[in-house]
Amino acid sequence: EDQVTQSPEALRLQEGESSSLNCSYTVSGLRGLFWYRQDPGKGPEFLFTLYSAGEEKEKERLKATLTKKESFLHITAPKPEDSATYLCAVTTSGTYKYIFGTGTRLKVLA
Amino acid sequence: DAGITQSPRHKVTETGTPVTLRCHQTENHRYMYWYRQDPGHGLRLIHYSYGVKDTDKGEVSDGYSVSRSKTEDFLLTLESATSSQTSVYFCAISDPASTETQYFGPGTRLLVL
Repeated sequence: EDQVTQSPEALRLQEGESSSLNCSYTVSGLRGLFWYRQDPGKGPEFLFTLYSAGEEKEKERLKATLTKKESFLHITAPKPEDSATYLCAVTTSGTYKYIFGTGTRLKVLA
Repeated sequence: DAGITQSPRHKVTETGTPVTLRCHQTENHRYMYWYRQDPGHGLRLIHYSYGVKDTDKGEVSDGYSVSRSKTEDFLLTLESATSSQTSVYFCAISDPASTETQYFGPGTRLLVL
């Protein structure tokens, strides 16, 4: 069964304290891996798409990387406004269904 | 921001009553999706559509039906609402011909008493 697992469930960081969020997947034929940010009471907001192992994408303090089994979202020198839930999702060959992980709740303290 | 609206944004209803949620897009995307989001479960796919009148089930489709008579509108109906359907419902769109990225609506918070 295709599955996406995110860790940790929750993470508290001090402002400026860099860290990484993990998204591991077991799927039959990965087509794409997606990262989203979700603020309370809002819909998920797209961040990155990764398609092949070794690929990296960056946006401001965020950097996403992909291997054959997992993806990392690296947060460098985070600020309080980076506090949100970060979601990972995958699509697989032959379907346009998205499988989501349960997310990592990030809290950055000033 | 992708042009996706959901209505209503909040609804309180009673067990056994029918409920219809609407998703409207202005992006002319081919695919539309309905998800529910619950604590500890993340986003779970209810139904999706890959064209007008073309729909398919997701992982949690029991108790839900959908219809898509126009490209821009995707309706989710709870035929007889139950308390277990209390949730936040999100609509999403994508257009694989141009990008696989899904864009989400603002959500509908549904409470079934």
